[in-house]
Amino acid sequence: GIQVEQSPPDLILQEGANSTLRCNFSDSVNNLQWFHQNPWGQLINLFYIPSGTKQNGRLSATTVATERYSLLYISSSQTTDSGVYFCAANAGGTSYGKLTFGQGTILTVHP
Amino acid sequence: NAGVTQTPKFQVLKTGQSMTLQCAQDMNHNSMYWYRQDPGMGLRLIYYSASEGTTDKGEVPNGYNVSRLNKREFSLRLESAAPSQTSVYFCASSDSLAVGRRTQYFGPGTRLTVL
Repeated sequence: GIQVEQSPPDLILQEGANSTLRCNFSDSVNNLQWFHQNPWGQLINLFYIPSGTKQNGRLSATTVATERYSLLYISSSQTTDSGVYFCAANAGGTSYGKLTFGQGTILTVHP
Repeated sequence: NAGVTQTPKFQVLKTGQSMTLQCAQDMNHNSMYWYRQDPGMGLRLIYYSASEGTTDKGEVPNGYNVSRLNKREFSLRLESAAPSQTSVYFCASSDSLAVGRRTQYFGPGTRLTVL
């Protein structure tokens, strides 16, 4: 099956700093999503982005499908951005919803 | 809209006991999913239902059964619980037929401990 690898595993920032999280995947994809899991365990979808670039406020994401990676940008980070960020993907030719998750990037933002 | 709801929120079982985790969504989504999350790990797909009346195995289906009761509800059953099934279980749903809107929406999770 598809392999999904995220980096870095941990990231510590001061409030106001910018960061880039990376997701590499081993196969062509027809579904790629980014999620944020807050410290209370709730999973929130951030982007559905199998290709191209999207922006939502201070967050943006870019997927370069031909090179098999996706990037999540967080600008002007806030303490509420803390938590775990997951990338999830599924391989082309399989059911769209059959996602494989990466191990996550643990982000800690200090005031 | 409540989105995706799960019951119970917490459960403690003894080895060998059975239980059913319930999940419901009110977004009229056609697809539903069950995942488990173990400490320090990402989510792993247990079973999914692409549409009402269909179910299929995910990455870690052993020891579980599912029922897609109707379009809104998707239950996960542990017939004989084992300590290895101690985990947090998440249900999710998506409108997988809508290109560009296949985002998965997650419930709050059920924290299950098997002694």
